Amino acid sequence: DSGVTQTPKHLITATGQRVTLRCSPRSGDLSVYWYQQSLDQGLQFLIQYYNGEERAKGNILERFSAQQFPDLHSELNLSSLELGDSALYFCASSGFQETQYFGPGTRLLVL
Amino acid sequence: QKEVEQDPGPLSVPEGAIVSLNCTYSNSAFQYFMWYRQYSRKGPELLMYTYSSGNKEDGRFTAQVDKSSKYISLFIRDSQPSDSATYLCAMSFRNSGNTPLVFGKGTRLSVIA
Repeated sequence: DSGVTQTPKHLITATGQRVTLRCSPRSGDLSVYWYQQSLDQGLQFLIQYYNGEERAKGNILERFSAQQFPDLHSELNLSSLELGDSALYFCASSGFQETQYFGPGTRLLVL
Repeated sequence: QKEVEQDPGPLSVPEGAIVSLNCTYSNSAFQYFMWYRQYSRKGPELLMYTYSSGNKEDGRFTAQVDKSSKYISLFIRDSQPSDSATYLCAMSFRNSGNTPLVFGKGTRLSVIA
């Protein structure tokens, strides 16, 4: 158990809908990262937050947004969902000079 | 050309074999190198974390980095069926606690009893 929690584990929704994925980092970790894993693209970095502030952005679509709250948990919002958004979404957290620890992921299926 | 290349396999070996997994990368600015293991439907789990060129050993696992060739390897000795998983190489430009990771696509390994 990495100490990173993610909810929900599974999500099935329809095209055009909006969903929110939630992540709680390890105790004391200030950095949260979101990654998307699909069969053809592998693990792709989406966005990073550090202590509530956006720190880095990857190939995140404009339909996707995220935030980190004062208690350090983070949410990833996916809107106007398309079939191609079906994937595993992982959250990872880290301390200042530590590597990243991943949560169990949320499996999103868009029908 | 992708930044990190990794043969997807699948790789199938008998129990007890030595397994060699490899990644190549194109950006010489990568400084930190990691190997993650991912079981089916689970999150990636950190196995090895290295900075400099050379070898790092942890139990049955050895990570090797050759920055001059832009090539990293993971060796698994005395492989076990429980090692069957997808192995992901990852790298970062700075200490990975502060920067996103760039991953290879992963190599699927099956160790047959």
